[in-house]
Amino acid sequence: EAAVTQSPRSKVAVTGGKVTLSCHQTNNHDYMYWYRQDTGHGLRLIHYSYVADSTEKGDIPDGYKASRPSQENFSLILELASLSQTAVYFCASSDAGGRTGQLYFGEGSKLTVL
Amino acid sequence: GQQVKQSSPSLTVQEGGISILNCDYENDMFDYFAWYKKYPDNSPTLLISVRSNVDKREDGRLTVFLNKSGKHFSLHITASQPEDTAVYLCAAGENQGGSAKLIFGEGTKLTVSS
Repeated sequence: EAAVTQSPRSKVAVTGGKVTLSCHQTNNHDYMYWYRQDTGHGLRLIHYSYVADSTEKGDIPDGYKASRPSQENFSLILELASLSQTAVYFCASSDAGGRTGQLYFGEGSKLTVL
Repeated sequence: GQQVKQSSPSLTVQEGGISILNCDYENDMFDYFAWYKKYPDNSPTLLISVRSNVDKREDGRLTVFLNKSGKHFSLHITASQPEDTAVYLCAAGENQGGSAKLIFGEGTKLTVSS
């Protein structure tokens, strides 16, 4: 069974502060993704990566940075957190072999920005 | 704009009935189509998926229909049960130069009433 773990699971941050969400996978998957979940919007892709030391912008990258220091780890960084970034964030990995395939999701990280 | 769209935010079906969930997409390059199921406070899990070279795929009570000319796919759940109550997310994927990304719809909340 695929294993994707996120930390922290829940965080309260202040507006303007820096937030780092971490994701670790033990599946030996090449692809990793960060999505945010908002009511009425489903899951929206923020950043993704298909190889270490390289990241790609998703559909809503503004206000977020990503880092993929190794195949196993993928971080999402909010340099200046804003109220609108309050959401649940999901990390996922996939062994797509170059083609889109099944995503294995982490448990989610609930971020509240005050 | 929204590349993958679920026009019905909610659906209620009687136990034993057929649940039909719909999804429309815009991008002709999508070649992978999937349905994920999500319970509250849980992560999404893959239910069923198809590649663009097939029009239909069955798996137990689940059937995916793909209409490429209409840019539409749907999920049919027969003999719906209360435990089918969840949010269903459709997703479509494309491959760009070796990187694969999956785009989700907004989700449809299915309620199966007993």
